[in-house]
Amino acid sequence: EVQVWESGGGLVQPGGSLRLSCAASGFAFSNFGMSWVRQAPGKGLEWVSAISSSGGTTNYADSVKGRFTISRDNSENTMYLRMNSLRVEDTAVYYCAKGARSGQHPYDYWGQGTLVTVSS
Amino acid sequence: EIVLTQSPATLSLSPGERATLSCGASQSVSSNYLAWYQQKPGLAPRLLIYDASSRATGIPDRFTGSGSGTDFTLTISRLEPEDFAVYYCQQYGGSPRTFGGGTKVEIK
Repeated sequence: EVQVWESGGGLVQPGGSLRLSCAASGFAFSNFGMSWVRQAPGKGLEWVSAISSSGGTTNYADSVKGRFTISRDNSENTMYLRMNSLRVEDTAVYYCAKGARSGQHPYDYWGQGTLVTVSS
Repeated sequence: EIVLTQSPATLSLSPGERATLSCGASQSVSSNYLAWYQQKPGLAPRLLIYDASSRATGIPDRFTGSGSGTDFTLTISRLEPEDFAVYYCQQYGGSPRTFGGGTKVEIK
């Protein structure tokens, strides 16, 4: 059974840092691109970042570029999101999502989400 | 960046009725790489449709995706009670992989 699950969310002050993890099981992790998608309270979905299967290619939304870093460890079947210089507007549930295939892909499996709250 | 605009924002319908949701793109979506997701309160999104018109695994055939280029549609032929939710479109043909603002399908 394919599963992805996030951890590492919590309360952090503005300007602080946090690292989210996304663990995966039930599929060949190293064969699939992965992404982070967030959802602010009561709002819609916002794509945050994506990483290729090998980790060699990464992309970011303009809103997080230069502050967030996506990475993955294929030996540990885990993806990460390092978040620096956090702002109040980064408050959201952060989902990790699995690419459905190689190349351009939608997301076929999602985690349950981890809440990040940026507040003083 | 491709901006996706979904309409209407809210659709009020009764079970058994047909729902038609629209997603318009600010520029052509490469290879029609357009997906639809369903999200219920407190849950993660669920993939319904990909490549504009292909149903994801396990999705009932009352869900149909259509369209190309800049205009896409999700049709739910006969609404079941479990279909009342928020629906998002997403393009994955280019970066950033943008989402639309969502359409809430609510019980009338």
